[in-house]
Amino acid sequence: DAKTTQPPSMDCAEGRAANLPCNHSTISGNEYVYWYRQIHSQGPQYIIHGLKNNETNEMASLIITEDRKSSTLILPHATLRDTAVYYCIVSGNQFYFGTGTSLTVIP
Amino acid sequence: DAGVIQSPRHEVTEMGQEVTLRCKPISGHDYLFWYRQTMMRGLELLIYFNNNVPIDDSGMPEDRFSAKMPNASFSTLKIQPSEPRDSAVYFCASSLALAPAYNEQFFGPGTRLTVL
Repeated sequence: DAKTTQPPSMDCAEGRAANLPCNHSTISGNEYVYWYRQIHSQGPQYIIHGLKNNETNEMASLIITEDRKSSTLILPHATLRDTAVYYCIVSGNQFYFGTGTSLTVIP
Repeated sequence: DAGVIQSPRHEVTEMGQEVTLRCKPISGHDYLFWYRQTMMRGLELLIYFNNNVPIDDSGMPEDRFSAKMPNASFSTLKIQPSEPRDSAVYFCASSLALAPAYNEQFFGPGTRLTVL
């Protein structure tokens, strides 16, 4: 499975959009981009996934570049409860979670 | 559905003792995964099952670790004998499928294991 690169940490003001980037330059044609988050002391939680089209659900939006080498997870109106580690995963058949981005939402 | 259930939530044991962690996956999910999370190594896949059959155990650290899935609603991860370096949070997850398009995994709350 392709590996991903994410910034180790980010801050975001409460109520603003949080944009979390991910690079996955070695992604192959059949691999999807998945995003999970892990709030302190809890199990990871699925957020969203996509192949090549942009996706949106009740939690977030996923923007995948045309060449599929990078993507951005957007939390449109970040709240304090969104403070967590966010993992970008390129999925063939298994998951490699990496170190993720620690997002801190600031009041 | 109550989600993935793990027990115990916390376990403290002494080095050399046997430890058994338990997991009940979401009903109807054909895949069950065991992960371990530590500060040093992050979240690592240990083993996964498909329809109760172990498919890939390449992540199991050594022979002291074993996992079973006797039926579709129950799995165990056993460590015997336990060592202090086994201290970690162990997560169980389940999913409907493993195909790249349908790989949404649902995680349990984890078992925090401390080996003294």
